[in-house]
Amino acid sequence: DIQMTQSPSSLSASVGDRVTITCQASRDIRNYLNWYQQKPGKAPKLLIYDASNLETGVPSRFSGSGSGTDFTFTISSLQPEDFATYHCQQYDNLPPRYTFGQGTKLEIK
Amino acid sequence: QVQLVESGGGVVQPGRSLRLSCATSGFTFSSYGMHWVRQAPGRGLEWVAVISYDGSNKYYADSVKGRFSITRDNSKNTLNLQMNSLRVEDTAVYYCAKDRWTYGYHGMDVWGPGTTVTVSS
Repeated sequence: DIQMTQSPSSLSASVGDRVTITCQASRDIRNYLNWYQQKPGKAPKLLIYDASNLETGVPSRFSGSGSGTDFTFTISSLQPEDFATYHCQQYDNLPPRYTFGQGTKLEIK
Repeated sequence: QVQLVESGGGVVQPGRSLRLSCATSGFTFSSYGMHWVRQAPGRGLEWVAVISYDGSNKYYADSVKGRFSITRDNSKNTLNLQMNSLRVEDTAVYYCAKDRWTYGYHGMDVWGPGTTVTVSS
C-alpha cells in the first residue's frame, strides 16, 4: 500500500501569512492527490483535486502543486476562517484505494 | 444542492452488528461511486469502502474486509454500510461521501455530516 507522509503535523501562523504544507507519497502517484479542509466537528471539504485544480467555489488563495511523489499545498494569505486541519489524500483507481495523510492542524499564532 | 445525510450510528457491544444508511439528494445518485470514510476520535481520516455507480463493484480497506458490506439502492438514492463483528477500534465518526467523477473513482467531493459509532462493552 502507498503511504502518505504529511508535514508538519501542526503549524502556528498569523492572519496574512503564507503557509505551505507538504505531502510525500511512498511511490509515484502521478497527480492523483486531493487536499481537504476540516473544521472541528465538521466533515472535510474538498479544496484541491488532482494535485493542482481548484474546486469550484474555493477561494484562489488556496493552491496546490506537484506530481509523482512530492506535493505542496499553499495558502497565500491566511484568513481567519482558514484555521482548520488540512488533509492530503492519494487515490488509486485500479483497484480503488485511498490513503490520507496524517493531517496538519493550522492554529492561530 | 447536493446533500448527504447519514443515520444509524449508536453504541454497540463488541462482536455485535450495526447498519448505517446515507440518504442523498441533489444529484444523479446512480451515476456516481459512493464511499464510506471514518475518523476515530482525535485521529486522521481512514477510507473504509467504495461501491461503483451501479453496485456491481465493491472495494474495502483491509481493516474491514470480511466484516463490513457496502450496498446501495439506486431506486431510493440510498447508500448503506452493514458492519458485523464490530471491534472497539471501529469506534469513529462515519462519513458517506460522493465520488467526484461520474462512473469512476477519483476521491470524494461532497461529504455528509457524519454519524457516530461507539463500540464498547
